[in-house]
Amino acid sequence: NAGVTQTPKFRILKIGQSMTLQCTQDMNHNYMYWYRQDPGMGLKLIYYSVGAGITDKGEVPNGYNVSRSTTEDFPLRLELAAPSQTSVYFCASLRGGTGNTIYFGEGSWLTVV
Amino acid sequence: DAKTTQPNSMESNEEEPVHLPCNHSTISGTDYIHWYRQLPSQGPEYVIHGLTSNVNNRMASLAIAEDRKSSTLILHRATLRDAAVYYCILSKGAQKLVFGQGTRLTINP
Repeated sequence: NAGVTQTPKFRILKIGQSMTLQCTQDMNHNYMYWYRQDPGMGLKLIYYSVGAGITDKGEVPNGYNVSRSTTEDFPLRLELAAPSQTSVYFCASLRGGTGNTIYFGEGSWLTVV
Repeated sequence: DAKTTQPNSMESNEEEPVHLPCNHSTISGTDYIHWYRQLPSQGPEYVIHGLTSNVNNRMASLAIAEDRKSSTLILHRATLRDAAVYYCILSKGAQKLVFGQGTRLTINP
């Protein structure tokens, strides 16, 4: 049982490039999330999904896209990378229901230069 | 979701108890109180959560005021591995947790 797995762990992008951060979970959780964390700050929600085929925007969705074709996978797409997207990205999942626990991945460090 | 107020930083000594306060004066009756912590260079991890009654688990205890306008996370015997940023979050469920800046806990050997 690997939990929540994110790849890649580190990446350097040039301005204007695109990339996809991969996230997969093996706990059969319905809810999945993408957060970003800038240095010294708390986490901000980018997008979330309550199940396969359903996604919704969080606090800071601009510049990102997501899809949820399966329960296990929730990739985050960065189109036309900008320096403001330099951050640490965390994927997370939740089984569902009130008061349950969110499980986080180990993070993906992204630098846009 | 209602907002929480936590001190920016706290310091304690190894093997002593630590009491991390959280104020949430605008909490609603259906808001759960969640605590997560984030160790350096890692994703947040669940610590404890509760609604009205005090809660205990293997990691910590959560003491909730009778009026629910404040709560305290208690680490009974701090170790160096407890040095982290601790987040107090209110939410009706864990579905959309909003993280503030938390309390940075330093443990002195």
